[in-house]
Amino acid sequence: DSGVTQTPKHLITATGQRVTLRCSPRSGDLSVYWYQQSLDQGLQFLIQYYNGEERAKGNILERFSAQQFPDLHSELNLSSLELGDSALYFCASSLTSVETQYFGPGTRLLVL
Amino acid sequence: KNEVEQSPQNLTAQEGEFITINCSYSVGISALHWLQQHPGGGIVSLFMLSSGKKKHGRLIATINIQEKHSSLHITASHPRDSAVYICAVTNSGNTPLVFGKGTRLSVIA
Repeated sequence: DSGVTQTPKHLITATGQRVTLRCSPRSGDLSVYWYQQSLDQGLQFLIQYYNGEERAKGNILERFSAQQFPDLHSELNLSSLELGDSALYFCASSLTSVETQYFGPGTRLLVL
Repeated sequence: KNEVEQSPQNLTAQEGEFITINCSYSVGISALHWLQQHPGGGIVSLFMLSSGKKKHGRLIATINIQEKHSSLHITASHPRDSAVYICAVTNSGNTPLVFGKGTRLSVIA
């Protein structure tokens, strides 16, 4: 158990819908990262927050947004969902940007 | 071309064999990570290293900064080592991890 929690574990929804994925980092960790893992693309970095502020942005679509709240939990919002958004979404946390990252169990999203 | 290349893509070994997985990268880095992804999907961080060698149990990770190459070794492999092993690099504290495509390892009893 990494200490990082993600909810929900599984999510099935339809195209055009909007979903919110939630992540609680390890106690004391200030950095939260979101990653997408699809079958054909492998793991890809989406976005990083550090102590409530956006720190780095990767190949995150405009339909996707995220935020980190004062209690350090983070949410990833995916809207206007398309079939290609079906993937595993991982959250990871670390104390600082240069420390080991601890991964949550992931949310498996299926868009039908 | 991916900045991080792993080899082999797939590897099947007999229990007890010594295993080596390789990772090459094309850019200067500040740290290299080895991750293990279990068949169920969960990801565990195995090592983060910027020079030399690290050991944890039967796992050893080495890095050669000049040659831009890292290896992950598993001694006395066991079926429970079956997983996908992923190499990732970062070139500073604030830049995101860039991942290799992973090496799928199957260890047969």
